[in-house]
Amino acid sequence: GAVVSQHPSWVICKSGTSVKIECRSLDFQATTMFWYRQFPKQSLMLMATSNEGSKATYEQGVEKDKFLINHASLTLSTLTVTSAHPEDSSFYICSAPPRAPQYFGPGTRLLVL
Amino acid sequence: AQTVTQSQPEMSVQEAETVTLSCTYDTSESDYYLFWYKQPPSRQMILVIRQEAYKQQNATENRFSVNFQKAAKSFSLKISDSQLGDAAMYFCAYRSARTSYDKVIFGPGTSLSVIP
Repeated sequence: GAVVSQHPSWVICKSGTSVKIECRSLDFQATTMFWYRQFPKQSLMLMATSNEGSKATYEQGVEKDKFLINHASLTLSTLTVTSAHPEDSSFYICSAPPRAPQYFGPGTRLLVL
Repeated sequence: AQTVTQSQPEMSVQEAETVTLSCTYDTSESDYYLFWYKQPPSRQMILVIRQEAYKQQNATENRFSVNFQKAAKSFSLKISDSQLGDAAMYFCAYRSARTSYDKVIFGPGTSLSVIP
């Protein structure tokens, strides 16, 4: 079946640094990918919609300058957390909707010290 | 805007017994998809079952079945013969069927424990 991968699976960084997370669709093309954030014991909250060849669409309350999204190709979207702070520590999940249902990546755990 | 509600933050079931997880949603659309996703401790989202709104027949997948009540906007998940591996967070989710690229909206989740 369709597979979505994420890299890295785990990242620890110092406060103030930037972190890049990659999301790849392995056996299908995805003109659209979604980025979610999940805090412990909470649900997935959509952060932004990544669109190949155009600007990402951010959900209300998400800082676009802090969470930079680049959808460089039909199989790759990247999320860069700029100037990360401890409150950005979370679990980040991407998904791609070739059709219903969506396929989810395994997630990236980010810990900002 | 569409919303998804799960009124049971935590549930428990005895192994081999049956449990039902509740979900209600709100939408003004007539064509949409509903899903139940399982998130085990690994946190990988796993699709359990899906239901197309235009289908009256309730979806089933082995031990998992749903009770879809479109007029009541209710979408409950029944797990039969519960197994230890069923212990996880379960999320009810909604997606519009307008396009292939609509976002999925998740409910707050229900944590299911299975008692040996």
